[in-house]
Amino acid sequence: DAGVTQSPTHLIKTRGQQVTLRCSPKSGHDTVSWYQQALGQGPQFIFQYYEEEERQRGNFPDRFSGHQFPNYSSELNVNALLLGDSALYLCASSLLGSSTDTQYFGPGTRLTVL
Amino acid sequence: QKEVEQDPGPLSVPEGAIVSLNCTYSNSAFQYFMWYRQYSRKGPELLMYTYSSGNKEDGRFTAQVDKSSKYISLFIRDSQPSDSATYLCAMSATSGGSNYKLTFGKGTLLTVNP
Repeated sequence: DAGVTQSPTHLIKTRGQQVTLRCSPKSGHDTVSWYQQALGQGPQFIFQYYEEEERQRGNFPDRFSGHQFPNYSSELNVNALLLGDSALYLCASSLLGSSTDTQYFGPGTRLTVL
Repeated sequence: QKEVEQDPGPLSVPEGAIVSLNCTYSNSAFQYFMWYRQYSRKGPELLMYTYSSGNKEDGRFTAQVDKSSKYISLFIRDSQPSDSATYLCAMSATSGGSNYKLTFGKGTLLTVNP
């Protein structure tokens, strides 16, 4: 049973560029959430997607946008990159309305902005 | 005041010791409480999941929730060097029986010395 997968593993960009990160949820899951984890901090919620719609959003600017596809996979897009966007970006999947409804995380994409 | 407070440590213990990890929170709406383990440069791995107050045991791990004090704990018995990792507490409110965003503590870095 494949878990949550993310690509790429690492990414280096320069300020002002745009980046797209990808996530495939755990088999049987329909909901994808994205988190940003700065060094030495806990993950911070960016947004959650269900049925191809953004279901809830954290305190992140509009430079952060996302998309969910019919196969439940998801993309996170960040425009006009800032140095402060350097972080580990985590994708988590879950099954909406299940008895436990816990979120399972992928390995993350480490983004470095120079 | 942050919604979730967690002592970042670091915490260093000898092999076989009992480890106690704790978080406090301020949001009374939190209903679901989780502990994740994160190895260096990896994604968080779900360890324990509890709903509302009480205790839950799974092998060497015991999770406790005291909603009246807004305090949660994770105990690790007979700690092993392989338990060396960052431990993150996470919480969420509920709406219609479904989790929304997880709110994390900063994480506690634990080292178990052989």
